[in-house]
Amino acid sequence: TQLLEQSPQFLSIQEGENLTVYCNSSSVFSSLQWYRQEPGEGPVLLVTVVTGGEVKKLKRLTFQFGDARKDSSLHITAAQPGDTGLYLCAGAPRSGAGSYQLTFGKGTKLSVIP
Amino acid sequence: SQTIHQWPATLVQPVGSPLSLECTVEGTSNPNLYWYRQAAGRGLQLLFYSVGIGQISSEVPQNLSASRPQDRQFILSSKKLLLSDSGFYLCAWSVVGSVTDTQYFGPGTRLTVL
Repeated sequence: TQLLEQSPQFLSIQEGENLTVYCNSSSVFSSLQWYRQEPGEGPVLLVTVVTGGEVKKLKRLTFQFGDARKDSSLHITAAQPGDTGLYLCAGAPRSGAGSYQLTFGKGTKLSVIP
Repeated sequence: SQTIHQWPATLVQPVGSPLSLECTVEGTSNPNLYWYRQAAGRGLQLLFYSVGIGQISSEVPQNLSASRPQDRQFILSSKKLLLSDSGFYLCAWSVVGSVTDTQYFGPGTRLTVL
């Protein structure tokens, strides 16, 4: 069974601070997705990374996929209250595994205080 | 562009009553479709997925069932709701044969069973 561990589970920071959240596994994934979810809404896709070592930037958000495709990180620069939400990572099993399922982490709940 | 709809947005039902939640996808053909349940704003539990009309795979033995009467319609049902069925239900879709298996989520349905 593939597992994704996200850390920290909770994070409360002041506006303007930087932060990094992590998504780790002992399994290899063919791709990894990051989502942000606000209360009462569905998760919204932020990025998909597919290549080991890949770095993608989305404004103040930087996503990195580990070289071995077992882990990923999300770094937010100068956090804003609008960044508040639940951040979920999800990994797709190795290509050819015959599964349509994503493995989800339990999420990091981020609060950015004005 | 593709859009995914879920209804109703919220639902309060008594124990023992039936349930029908609907999900439709627009702007794509023959998607993979998924039903998830999310407890307390945390991780997602996959309930069912479908790779085509009439093809349903169940991931968790439970009081619920799913059907796919049309290509872009996915329905979650129960004949008799239990208190433990309360939660936030999310529908998602993905592209068949996608390299990344990225899933796109609907807005969700909040179900409260009393």
